[in-house]
Amino acid sequence: EIVLTQSPGTLSLSPGERATLSCRASQSVSRSSLAWYQQKPGQAPRLLIYGASSRATDIPDRFSVSGSGTDFTLTISRLEPEDFAVYYCQHYGSSQYSFGQGTKLEIK
Amino acid sequence: QVQLVESGGGVVQPGGSLRLSCAASGLTFSSNGMHWVRQAPGKGLEWVAFIHYDGISKYYADSVKGRFTISRDNSKDTLFLQLHSLRTDDTAVYYCAKRESGYGWDVFDIWGQGTMVTVSS
Repeated sequence: EIVLTQSPGTLSLSPGERATLSCRASQSVSRSSLAWYQQKPGQAPRLLIYGASSRATDIPDRFSVSGSGTDFTLTISRLEPEDFAVYYCQHYGSSQYSFGQGTKLEIK
Repeated sequence: QVQLVESGGGVVQPGGSLRLSCAASGLTFSSNGMHWVRQAPGKGLEWVAFIHYDGISKYYADSVKGRFTISRDNSKDTLFLQLHSLRTDDTAVYYCAKRESGYGWDVFDIWGQGTMVTVSS
C-alpha cells in the first residue's frame, strides 16, 4: 500500500501570496494517479485536480500540480480568501485508495 | 444536479451494528462505482470501501474488512454500508462518494454531506 505524507502540517500565509503544498509517496507513482481535494470546515471534501493536471469543474487556474516519482506539489499561485482550507492528496493503486494526512492552509 | 444524501448514522455501543444508506439523484446510478469514505473527529480522510457499478466487485480497507459490508440497490439508486462489530475507533463522519476514473487515475468526484456514527458505551 502506498503511504502519502503531506507537509507542512499547517501553512500560514496571507491572501495574495503563493502557496506550495507537498505530498510525498512511499514509493514511486505516476503523477496521473494522484489527486488533490479541498475541505472547508463542516463541509465534504471537493475534488480539485486529477489525472496529472486536470482541474475539476469550476476549479480556477490558480491551482496547479507538479512533480514526479515520489514528490508532488500543489501550488496555489495567488491565494484568495476562499482558498484557506485543508488540502488532501490521494492515490489509487491495486484496488486500494489512500489519502495523505492533510495540510491546513490558514490565514496569517 | 448530482446529489448524494447519506442517512442512518447515530450512537451505537461497542460491538453493535448499524446500516448506513446513501440515496443518489441526478445521475445514472447503475453506471457508477461508489465509495464510502470516513473522517474521525478532527482527523483526515480514510477510504473505507468501494463497489463496482454492477455490485459484483467490492474492495475494503484492511481496517474494516470482515466487519463492514458494502452493497447497492440499483433499482432504488441507493448505496449501503452495513457496519458490524463496531469499535470506538470507528467513530467518524461517513461520506458516500461517486467514483470517476480514466486512464491512470481513479478519484472521488461527487461527495455527500456525510452521516455521523458515534460508537460509545
